[in-house]
Amino acid sequence: QVHLVESGGGVVQPGGSLRLSCAASGFTFSTYGMHWVRQAPGKGLEWVATVLYDGNNKYYADSVKGRSTISRDNSKNTLYLEMNSLRAEDAALYYCAKDSNKYAWGIDYWGQGTLVTVSS
Amino acid sequence: DVVMTQSPLSLPVTLGQPVSISCRSSQSLVYSDGNTYLDWLQQRPGQSPRRLIYKVSNRDSGVPDRFSGSGSGTDFTLKISRVEAEDVGVYYCMQLTHWPLTFGGGTKVEIK
Repeated sequence: QVHLVESGGGVVQPGGSLRLSCAASGFTFSTYGMHWVRQAPGKGLEWVATVLYDGNNKYYADSVKGRSTISRDNSKNTLYLEMNSLRAEDAALYYCAKDSNKYAWGIDYWGQGTLVTVSS
Repeated sequence: DVVMTQSPLSLPVTLGQPVSISCRSSQSLVYSDGNTYLDWLQQRPGQSPRRLIYKVSNRDSGVPDRFSGSGSGTDFTLKISRVEAEDVGVYYCMQLTHWPLTFGGGTKVEIK
């Protein structure tokens, strides 16, 4: 079955950087779009970024554009999110999520999330 | 950006009673391929979200048939025919027709 395991979260100072990873298994990773979605404590869901199946097409929320890079290594079945110039408002549980298609047609599986805390 | 407006924000319900959650989008969610990429997600307390319904009205595998989705254009509804205790949680609509992808603010379903 599909497994998505996020890692890389932690406590980072404002202005710092972090790289989140998501190890995928149970499906042919290279044929599906992948997403990052975040949820601040006690808040709703916020889409962060999407990369289509081949890694060539990437989309970002305005809130992270220019500060974050989504990427994937299809040889390692791994999704990444590099985040720079972190702000207090970036603190959240970051979910890795699988699309149901090679594009972005709908999220059918979610990981358990990795927590990012931004604090001095 | 497409704004997704859910109502109500909170829904105290009696076990066995029906529930209806509304989701309205600020623009049509019909994509150029004719599909409407509107999904419904459930997030139980302490858990990751789980998709219930995709493309307006298609139930995901394993989702009880008491859940149903309907609507078109800009107006969508999630219905639970008879609420069970395991249905407690927050429900979100999500659109994937337009970039950026956007979620509704959520509707919290709780038992009276």
